[in-house]
Amino acid sequence: GAVVSQHPSRVICKSGTSVKIECRSLDFQATTMFWYRQFPKKSLMLMATSNEGSKATYEQGVEKDKFLINHASLTLSTLTVTSAHPEDSSFYICSAYRDSGYTFGSGTRLTVV
Amino acid sequence: DQQVKQNSPSLSVQEGRISILNCDYTNSMFDYFLWYKKYPAEGPTFLISISSIKDKNEDGRFTVFLNKSAKHLSLHIVPSQPGDSAVYFCAASEGSSNTGKLIFGQGTTLQVKP
Repeated sequence: GAVVSQHPSRVICKSGTSVKIECRSLDFQATTMFWYRQFPKKSLMLMATSNEGSKATYEQGVEKDKFLINHASLTLSTLTVTSAHPEDSSFYICSAYRDSGYTFGSGTRLTVV
Repeated sequence: DQQVKQNSPSLSVQEGRISILNCDYTNSMFDYFLWYKKYPAEGPTFLISISSIKDKNEDGRFTVFLNKSAKHLSLHIVPSQPGDSAVYFCAASEGSSNTGKLIFGQGTTLQVKP
């Protein structure tokens, strides 16, 4: 079946630094990748939609300059949290979409100290 | 504006009995619905889906019912097993928009007691 690899699974960084999270579809090409954020005991909040070769579409309220998304190929999308602050600490999950099917990564727990 | 709502944050069921998880939505343009199971610090795992042209879809112990007029769907798990204990999310998408965006509910934590 379709597999999406997301890493790192866990990262701790200092406030003010940037962190990059990778999402790879291992055995298929994803036309679209989505990035979600989950707060403790809350829903998965869609942050942005990423299509290969084009700029990401961000949801309302999500700062595009803070959460940089790059979709360089049909198998790789990256989310960079720039100048991270403690309030950016969260669980980030990517999802690859193809032919009406969604496959989720295992998520990244980001802690900003 | 929460377009997909799961109003029960938690549910506790005895092993062997039926678990019923509910989900309501407000956007009448949603035409594809999915249920996911999620453990802490992991990504969601797909369980079952239903298109708006159907009112029921069954896969093993899992059945999803869709009531379009009420904008309501439910997931039935029978018989429930302790391994089913997890957070369950319903999600919806608007197929006609062709964006593939999924909107999630808040989740319901299911506990199945042995």
